[in-house]
Amino acid sequence: QAVLTQPPSASGTPGQRVDVSCSGSGSNIGSNAANWYQQVPGTAPKLLMYDNNQRPSGVPDRFSGSKSGTSASLAISGLQSEDEADYYCATWDDSLNGWVFGGGTKLTVL
Amino acid sequence: VQLVESGGGFIQPGGSLRLSCAASGFSFNNYAMSWVRQAPGKGLEWVSAISASGGDTYFADSVKGRFTISKDNFKKMLYLQMNSLRADDTAVYYCAKINRATTVSWGVFDYWGQGTLVTVSS
Repeated sequence: QAVLTQPPSASGTPGQRVDVSCSGSGSNIGSNAANWYQQVPGTAPKLLMYDNNQRPSGVPDRFSGSKSGTSASLAISGLQSEDEADYYCATWDDSLNGWVFGGGTKLTVL
Repeated sequence: VQLVESGGGFIQPGGSLRLSCAASGFSFNNYAMSWVRQAPGKGLEWVSAISASGGDTYFADSVKGRFTISKDNFKKMLYLQMNSLRADDTAVYYCAKINRATTVSWGVFDYWGQGTLVTVSS
């Protein structure tokens, strides 16, 4: 069972906005920055968002991130078919002294 | 940046296996590294990490005491020695670069390899 809680699935039509939530606790998201990874099925994960709301070079500005208290959120606007993937939140946990991941959210573009 | 894992395979419970990760395209000695695994059809699970110099190591509770991580900065290689393997260690193991040398808790996994599959079964 994952330490961080994400909805198992999300969906939207092309052009819509979708939000993916990630809930943690004071020892992880409450104390450290949230990061997001995108994994297209059959491929390796890719860093999508770091330090709550920073996009690595090459990530479209359709992707945005935020954090409030012990929760983080990833927003995808102007949904495209290529956004269909699994999305994982992650952060450091001070109590476990290691990284923790969410269970992943499977995004379907209808 | 390129990370290429090797060493995966089929192993019986209780056995040992050593995974390797060959790094190129960046100053390997300046960055911490990590292993992250993914059981078939499941989510990502962090396994272990090592600081740039190799002096500090970190392990998930699920592998502590069974796995060791090491880093050869001359050969630009990362290793994961896995002992006392169990069926629930079955997963694709990814090598990941951390974007920091030390204080790894502030880091992220900015590059990933393609993974190597480890299957533990009798």
